[in-house]
Amino acid sequence: AQSVSQHNHHVILSEAASLELGCNYSYGGTVNLFWYVQYPGQHLQLLLKYFSGDPLVKGIKGFEAEFIKSKFSFNLRKPSVQWSDTAEYFCAVNANFGNEKLTFGTGTRLTIIP
Amino acid sequence: KAGVTQTPRYLIKTRGQQVTLSCSPISGHRSVSWYQQTPGQGLQFLFEYFSETQRNKGNFPGRFSGRQFSNSRSEMNVSTLELGDSALYLCASSRETQGARSYNEQFFGPGTRLTVL
Repeated sequence: AQSVSQHNHHVILSEAASLELGCNYSYGGTVNLFWYVQYPGQHLQLLLKYFSGDPLVKGIKGFEAEFIKSKFSFNLRKPSVQWSDTAEYFCAVNANFGNEKLTFGTGTRLTIIP
Repeated sequence: KAGVTQTPRYLIKTRGQQVTLSCSPISGHRSVSWYQQTPGQGLQFLFEYFSETQRNKGNFPGRFSGRQFSNSRSEMNVSTLELGDSALYLCASSRETQGARSYNEQFFGPGTRLTVL
């Protein structure tokens, strides 16, 4: 069974700082990878996804993530964060066959200080 | 296009009671998944329904059950509630078709906040 680790539980940054949130997964086969974001009081929404092809994927609001297969990682990055990026971020994976469920990490709470 | 809707949004129950939560997927979406979200555990997969059949199941006790109707709407039921069942229950729908390559882009509803006293 697959698992996802997000080692940063709570990250606090000042506006304009660069962001990198770690995500590592455990699964021996091909996977689909996702980052979801949950803004305060809002529902979970997709930030970006990787299925195949270019390992550097770009999402909404200036976020990007890089899939490094050899490291089983899919870290989320943003060069300059804004106060509005304050939210909880979840990495998720599902096996690239059949109809597998999404397995989520425990989430990283990001607080941006104005 | 309307998003995933969940009712009720908030619910307070006492231990031992049972509860039914409802989810209406995005029009055209045939797969509905349920997740339990708690501060320490993140999102834990409960089960997934497709064409009125449970297709995947997570590691939750039998007190947690669900079903899907012919219009793809889904309900989940928790019987004999325990304090630890207090959580945000999220429903997600996706357009994937049976037999197709897995393309599990899921769209989430706002959740039902269940508090068990």
